[in-house]
Amino acid sequence: GESVGLHLPTLSVQEGDNSIINCAYSNSASDYFIWYKQESGKGPQFIIDIRSNMDKRQGQRVTVLLNKTVKHLSLQIAATQPGDSAVYFCAEKGYGQNFVFGPGTRLSVLP
Amino acid sequence: IAGITQAPTSQILAAGRRMTLRCTQDMRHNAMYWYRQDLGLGLRLIHYSNTAGTTGKGEVPDGYSVSRANTDDFPLTLASAVPSQTSVYFCASSPSGANTGELFFGEGSRLTVL
Repeated sequence: GESVGLHLPTLSVQEGDNSIINCAYSNSASDYFIWYKQESGKGPQFIIDIRSNMDKRQGQRVTVLLNKTVKHLSLQIAATQPGDSAVYFCAEKGYGQNFVFGPGTRLSVLP
Repeated sequence: IAGITQAPTSQILAAGRRMTLRCTQDMRHNAMYWYRQDLGLGLRLIHYSNTAGTTGKGEVPDGYSVSRANTDDFPLTLASAVPSQTSVYFCASSPSGANTGELFFGEGSRLTVL
C-alpha cells in the first residue's frame, strides 16, 4: 500500500530559530498534501496545504515545499515559538483516494 | 460554532462488550471519517462516508461498523471489543464528498479495552 513517512520522529529547536520538518511520500499519483498540527490531548488542526501543480506555498510563518522529483514534502516554521510545540503530520491523497497520514514528528521548542 | 463533537471523551471497556462512539458535526459537511491513532502509526482510516446514506471501508475496518443515517451523525460501533482496539479515536469531516480539502477533526475519544 501507499505510505507517508517522516524522516525524524522528534525535533528540538531553540525558540526564535527556524524549524524544518520533513516528509517522504511514496505515491507518485498523490496530488494534494496537507500539514496538520496536533497539540497534546487535542485533534489535528490544519496548518497549510499544497497541490502537486505547485512547489511552494506560504502561510503565516509557515512554508510548505514540495519536491515531486524525489517525493519529498517539508514544512518550515519561521521564528519558532513555544506555542509551536506539538506533533506535526503530513498527509497525502490522490484523486478518488482517502488521505494517508505519516506517523508524525514531535517538535519541542527549547527556551 | 461547535464543529465536531465526539462522545465519550474517555471510556474503559471490558473485552467482549459492545461500544458505540458518537460523532456529530454542525458544519453540514458531506464527508465524515473515523480514524484511530496509535503511537508510531499515526492516523489510520477505519471507515468513511462520502455522503449521507453511504459508507466505505478504510485501511483498518475489521471489528468496526458505521452508519450514516443523516448528514450530521456518524457513529462508530465496536460489536465485541478486543484489547487491540485500545486507541484514541478521531472523527473528522470535510466539505466535499470527493474527499478533497481540509479535514476538520474532533477532540478524540480515548478507549481502553481490558
